[in-house]
Amino acid sequence: AQSVAQPEDQVNVAEGNPLTVKCTYSVSGNPYLFWYVQYPNRGLQFLLKYITGDNLVKGSYGFEAEFNKSQTSFHLKKPSALVSDSALYFCAVRDNYGQNFVFGPGTRLSVLP
Amino acid sequence: NAGVTQTPKFQVLKTGQSMTLQCAQDMNHNSMYWYRQDPGMGLRLIYYSASEGTTDKGEVPNGYNVSRLNKREFSLRLESAAPSQTSVYFCASSLTGLVTEAFFGQGTRLTVV
Repeated sequence: AQSVAQPEDQVNVAEGNPLTVKCTYSVSGNPYLFWYVQYPNRGLQFLLKYITGDNLVKGSYGFEAEFNKSQTSFHLKKPSALVSDSALYFCAVRDNYGQNFVFGPGTRLSVLP
Repeated sequence: NAGVTQTPKFQVLKTGQSMTLQCAQDMNHNSMYWYRQDPGMGLRLIYYSASEGTTDKGEVPNGYNVSRLNKREFSLRLESAAPSQTSVYFCASSLTGLVTEAFFGQGTRLTVV
């Protein structure tokens, strides 16, 4: 069965510094990976996805993610963090049948001014 | 476009009461989902519908029923609410397939007292 781990409950970073939010996954078959962001009292918003091809995926709001098959990781990155990036971030994987998304527990990102 | 619309946004129920959460999407998506979000547990799938006329149980279906009324609408019913069902509920929709992302509603915050 598919599973997703986000090893950090909380990540703190200073504004202007690079940020990384970690995600590791376990799948049987090809991984289809997604990152979502949730701002307070809002639904989840799609940021980016990995399907196949380039290991560096670019997404919305300047975010990118690096896929590493050997480490089964899909870490979310941004070169220069903004205070407005403070939110809850979820990594997710599609199940093998494409019927469902399996989500990680979420990582709360705080960008300090 | 409205995207995915959920009603109501907030609800307080007494133990044993019933209610239906409504969800509608205007993106012509085949697949629709109901998730619940609890602190530290990410999103857990309650039910999903791969297409009009079909529904399947997810990870945590007990205490819930669903109806896929038509392609646009997917409702979630709590027949006899319990305090353990206090949560934030999200409806989502997506195109069919492994590589498609989901679009989420803004959520329903449900408290059962």
